[in-house]
Amino acid sequence: DAGVIQSPRHEVTEMGQEVTLRCKPISGHDYLFWYRQTMMRGLELLIYFNNNVPIDDSGMPEDRFSAKMPNASFSTLKIQPSEPRDSAVYFCASSLGPQGSNQPQHFGDGTRLSIL
Amino acid sequence: DQQVKQNSPSLSVQEGRISILNCDYTNSMFDYFLWYKKYPAEGPTFLISISSIKDKNEDGRFTVFLNKSAKHLSLHIVPSQPGDSAVYFCAASEGGGADGLTFGKGTHLIIQP
Repeated sequence: DAGVIQSPRHEVTEMGQEVTLRCKPISGHDYLFWYRQTMMRGLELLIYFNNNVPIDDSGMPEDRFSAKMPNASFSTLKIQPSEPRDSAVYFCASSLGPQGSNQPQHFGDGTRLSIL
Repeated sequence: DQQVKQNSPSLSVQEGRISILNCDYTNSMFDYFLWYKKYPAEGPTFLISISSIKDKNEDGRFTVFLNKSAKHLSLHIVPSQPGDSAVYFCAASEGGGADGLTFGKGTHLIIQP
């Protein structure tokens, strides 16, 4: 079975440029999560969706960050304009249901983003 | 303010012995706890979980213990194998799917031959 698929695996760009990260969740999963991992703060939740609807975006750091889920099989995380402090590994995860239903989240391999 | 803490950044254990990884939390609303394993350049892989209504859950070589009064959980791996060398993350969630996971900073487990 295909797991969560993220693209690109690596992205290097100059500050001020727009960055778009992509995620395909596991088929049938109705929850999708975006996380960011940095040395200082570890793994942090940015936003999550249920049935393509954003439920909690309180972890999104600034208005420069936006996320969409146009359908059940695709989500994007966009940073515009990008800044060097956005450099991190961004993970996407999906699950069959909320944690109260004892369904674990399954993670993609992440996108390593470097903003120069 | 860290709600999930893993106070040991690294742990070295001999092959065949027991590995014990510890995790403390402060949020009493957490009621579902998970352990993830992570290799370099890969995403976290789900290992084992426990609901707050239990105090122990076992899956093969892996056992998770939960002490709610102490707000502490631990992961036991026995016997430890070389392939267990990885970073282990403790994570927690509030019930009802109200939010995502809150992670600890991880413990790097090294299994010595």
